[in-house]
Amino acid sequence: KNQVEQSPQSLIILEGKNCTLQCNYTVSPFSNLRWYKQDTGRGPVSLTIMTFSENTKSNGRYTATLDADTKQSSLHITASQLSDSASYICVRGAGTASKLTFGTGTRLQVTL
Amino acid sequence: DSGVTQTPKHLITATGQRVTLRCSPRSGDLSVYWYQQSLDQGLQFLIHYYNGEERAKGNILERFSAQQFPDLHSELNLSSLELGDSALYFCASSVGGTNEKLFFGSGTQLSVL
Repeated sequence: KNQVEQSPQSLIILEGKNCTLQCNYTVSPFSNLRWYKQDTGRGPVSLTIMTFSENTKSNGRYTATLDADTKQSSLHITASQLSDSASYICVRGAGTASKLTFGTGTRLQVTL
Repeated sequence: DSGVTQTPKHLITATGQRVTLRCSPRSGDLSVYWYQQSLDQGLQFLIHYYNGEERAKGNILERFSAQQFPDLHSELNLSSLELGDSALYFCASSVGGTNEKLFFGSGTQLSVL
């Protein structure tokens, strides 16, 4: 069982709509929770990094939330654009980047 | 553009062969990480170098090795290649430290035929 589970696996939404992606992590210890955006054939790009003391962090139209008690995080995308079509990867961190555990991602497709 | 350069972008080779993947980190970044991404799998950590020294190893096969040179670029060497080694290989760089932000290259797509 993956220690970082994301849902849904894939999602199709209309341009301009909002969506929320979910992430559950089961691994301890924990020092940070990250969200990355990965376009097809490209490397992941950091969206947010939250430490255990942070509940929410925004980056433009992307807002991540974290509940360290329930080990859940979400990524909310507001007013989606076609360029938001990508995989969104939730990552749990425990120290340096050698201890990152990556989820398998949610594949988002934004359509007209 | 992340500032991290990986070459080549694509590599097609045969089983049993050896290849070298190259990574140039962002200017000023001392840490280089190598990851493997297989189809529909999460990124798997392979190895970490900091300022020329190996700092951590993940699930890296004995057939794989890496090094970081004095100019901070890094190379990942994959030998005795098998079909299952086909994957995207990413390097990422950072300044180092806990909660460090990683900057990923565009990856090398390796196809072993």
